[in-house]
Amino acid sequence: EVQLVESGGGLIQPGGSLRLSCAASGFTVSSNYMNWVRQAPGKGLEWVSVIYSGGTTYYADSVKGRFTISRDSSRNTLYLQMNSLRAEDTAVYYCAREGIRGGTLDGFDYWGQGTLVTVSS
Amino acid sequence: QLVLTQSPSASASLGASVKLTCTLSSGHSTYAIAWHQQQPEKGPRYLMKLSSDGGHSKGDGIPDRFSGSSSGAERYLTISSLQSEDEADYYCQTWGTGIRVFGGGTKLTVL
Repeated sequence: EVQLVESGGGLIQPGGSLRLSCAASGFTVSSNYMNWVRQAPGKGLEWVSVIYSGGTTYYADSVKGRFTISRDSSRNTLYLQMNSLRAEDTAVYYCAREGIRGGTLDGFDYWGQGTLVTVSS
Repeated sequence: QLVLTQSPSASASLGASVKLTCTLSSGHSTYAIAWHQQQPEKGPRYLMKLSSDGGHSKGDGIPDRFSGSSSGAERYLTISSLQSEDEADYYCQTWGTGIRVFGGGTKLTVL
């Protein structure tokens, strides 16, 4: 059974740093495309970052240069290092696996339950 | 620019059917999308991938009441025999090289 469990959220002051983790089971993180998606309170879903199976990474313009996505194969875990945090980064952060079938993408086929990050003084 | 447009809200009666729409931006009418459901206070749940020819493949455990179809740049999600638990936010999502995009979401109210 595929499971994604996020952790690491909390209250952090503006300008601070935080690292989120997403522990995966039922599949291999490094063999899949993995994403972070966030949702500000009362708002819609916003894509944050993706790491491809080959290691290539991409970021939304809103976080480029401040956030870093990475993975640890030995722990089968995805990470999001968030630096220079701003109030507008306050959101629930979800990790999501991107399905691939027959060489084409299927969208985010599995999601975690999310972890809340609050940036406030 | 790759953009997905959804109506903010929709409503339908218990037991009826509803068709939600997601529109791809100009120049992107051949893109596949995915539909996701987010029930109140829960994380998103994958419903299906929907291709430009209307072909769709559903996620694990998604009931037959959920189906998808396409016409030009429009992608549709039809929910039949509406149940109370279908009251949720529905998001469409697509992808390009180095980018992933969500629509603004449609809040479905079951009357």
